[in-house]
Amino acid sequence: EIVMTQTPLSLPVTPGEPASISCRSSQSLFDSDDGNTYLDWYLQKPGQSPDLLIYTLSYRASGVPDRFSASGSGTDFTLKISRVEADDVGIYYCFQRMELPYTFGRGTKLEIK
Amino acid sequence: EVQLVESGGSVVRPGGSLRLSCVGAGFSFNEHAMHWVRLLPGKGLEWLALITADGVDSYYGDSARGRFTISRDNFRKSLYLQLNNLRSEDSALYYCAKDALPTGTIAFGGVFDYWGQGTPVTVSS
Repeated sequence: EIVMTQTPLSLPVTPGEPASISCRSSQSLFDSDDGNTYLDWYLQKPGQSPDLLIYTLSYRASGVPDRFSASGSGTDFTLKISRVEADDVGIYYCFQRMELPYTFGRGTKLEIK
Repeated sequence: EVQLVESGGSVVRPGGSLRLSCVGAGFSFNEHAMHWVRLLPGKGLEWLALITADGVDSYYGDSARGRFTISRDNFRKSLYLQLNNLRSEDSALYYCAKDALPTGTIAFGGVFDYWGQGTPVTVSS
């Protein structure tokens, strides 16, 4: 199975400051047949179910503010928050659906300083 | 409004079995693949299984293969996960999730656009 490695595991951030989370996959998530990279990001806020943030590498899900952006290629990916707000706290997971079985990263816990 | 409501979680002894259920509403249930994902304490999310919209094909993660069985009843708009031979490490919050892609040329996309609230399973003697 494809192993997803996230760093850091914990990310304390001051409101208004930027934040960045890295994710690395053990195999390329780029599909040369269709040109898509099958890497998604989910956010699980405290006490809630996970929500889709980003799909297919860089497309924001409906309702996700443009403070969130994602990029990467092949096996290295980044989620960026341009200005962190208090409501952004939670655990961020990268997720690969390039190949079954699908796999998540271990998660990055974002907290407010 | 799309809703997914899980049930069936409880405390069970090691080696025991459980059947989890998930009822969908607010969308064409028979047009979407469905998934089970669990949240393991201190370890994060783990994808477990998916079943195609017509229920013909299913796929499993390594932890689920051989012990868990996914199924669905489109008439009842329900998804199921049969958990057998449970171990302490199966203790988790179990979510059902809707695949965002309506079935068509491609049977599933693997993007989870809606999740249930989860049902807790505790395996303990």
